[in-house]
Amino acid sequence: EPEVTQTPSHQVTQMGQEVILRCVPISNHLYFYWYRQILGQKVEFLVSFYNNEISEKSEIFDDQFSVERPDGSNFTLKIRSTKLEDSAMYFCASGLMGGETQYFGPGTRLLVL
Amino acid sequence: GENVEQHPSTLSVQEGDSAVIKCTYSDSASNYFPWYKQELGKRPQLIIDIRSNVGEKKDQRIAVTLNKTAKHFSLHITETQPEDSAVYFCAANTGTASKLTFGTGTRLQVTL
Repeated sequence: EPEVTQTPSHQVTQMGQEVILRCVPISNHLYFYWYRQILGQKVEFLVSFYNNEISEKSEIFDDQFSVERPDGSNFTLKIRSTKLEDSAMYFCASGLMGGETQYFGPGTRLLVL
Repeated sequence: GENVEQHPSTLSVQEGDSAVIKCTYSDSASNYFPWYKQELGKRPQLIIDIRSNVGEKKDQRIAVTLNKTAKHFSLHITETQPEDSAVYFCAANTGTASKLTFGTGTRLQVTL
C-alpha cells in the first residue's frame, strides 16, 4: 500500500538557521498539506497546496515559512530562520481530492536549540 | 474559522468495555469527519471517517455517528483491547482544499 514518506525523521538545528523538511506524497494525489504538532498537543494545520500553488495557510504559516513542489514527487517545507517555538513534529499529508481522506507521513521531529 | 472540541481528554476503560469519544464542530460547511489514532511518536492513522450525507458508519468494532443538526459526531469502540490504547483525534474539514481542523485529542487507556 502506498505511503507518504518524509525525511529526515529527526532534525536538530540552531536558532536562526534554515531547515528544509522533505515529503514524498502518494503518487497520484493532488492535494498536499503540512501540519505540525507540538509535543503533547493537537495537530495544527499549516498550509495546503494544490495545482502548484498555496490554496490556504494558517496564521502560523508566516513569512518565515515556504513550500515548494520542485519536481513531480517531492513537496518541501522550508523554515528560513528557525525559532525555539518552531520545535515540533511536522507532518506532511496528501489526498487524492479535496474533502477526501488525508494520509499522513511519519513526521519529522524538529528541535531548535 | 472552524473550531473542533473533543472530550473527554482522558478515558480509562477495562478490556472488553466500550469507549465513546465525542466531538463538536462549529462550521456548518464541514462535510467530512475523520478519526485518527496516534500512538506515541507515530503518525496519525485514519481509523474511520464519515461524510455528512450519512448518519452512521461501522467498521468491525469501531463506529462513528454524526448529528449534522447539532454539529456533533462521536467515535464508539466496542470490546476494547489493550492495543486500542492510544490518543484519538477527531477532525473536521474546512476551506477550499479541505484542510483538517483537529480536536484536542483523547488519551484512551484500556486496562486488563
